[in-house]
Amino acid sequence: AQKVTQAQTEISVVEKEDVTLDCVYETRDTTYYLFWYKQPPSGELVFLIRRNSFDEQNEISGRYSWNFQKSTSSFNFTITASQVVDSAVYFCALSVLPMDSSYKLIFGSGTRLLVRP
Amino acid sequence: DGGITQSPKYLFRKEGQNVTLSCEQNLNHDAMYWYRQDPGQGLRLIYYSQIVNDFQKGDIAEGYSVSREKKESFPLTVTSAQKNPTAFYLCASSRSVGSYNEQFFGPGTRLTVL
Repeated sequence: AQKVTQAQTEISVVEKEDVTLDCVYETRDTTYYLFWYKQPPSGELVFLIRRNSFDEQNEISGRYSWNFQKSTSSFNFTITASQVVDSAVYFCALSVLPMDSSYKLIFGSGTRLLVRP
Repeated sequence: DGGITQSPKYLFRKEGQNVTLSCEQNLNHDAMYWYRQDPGQGLRLIYYSQIVNDFQKGDIAEGYSVSREKKESFPLTVTSAQKNPTAFYLCASSRSVGSYNEQFFGPGTRLTVL
């Protein structure tokens, strides 16, 4: 069975601090995709990044960076120099396509990030 | 602008009533999805559709029904059989159903049963 765990329920930081959001996943599939989504107070989920299971390169996009480590089944997300606008709930998700072709996208429970001025 | 619209933003329902949540997309996506989000929890899949006139049950389909008569539209009906329908409902779409496709989400409908 597949599972995504985001152990940090809520994180509070002061603006300009760096913050890392943890994501640990479980799957027996060798081919899978990992995603991060941001849910601001408006409610709409915004896609941030996708990473496939064969690509362990870290990725940086502006103040955002992602660290994918298959050895520890983790896909952590770091925000550098956080800003108030980063305040949101962040979801990590895992996607697999089982042999029966039924679709599966499994979300973690989310981490609420509060960035204080 | 391309995107997904959901209406209404807020919906109140009396117990025993069926209600239908609207979802429309103009992204020309084949696949559409409905999720339910409860406070402090992740999203759970209710139904998804790979193509017009086809849909599949997700993890929590009981008490819900859908239709996909047009590519752009995927309405969700919350029936009186759904025991605890108060939740935030999110509609999404993707180019196709596949593990590599990111999903695009609408702004959501918050349903409250009175």
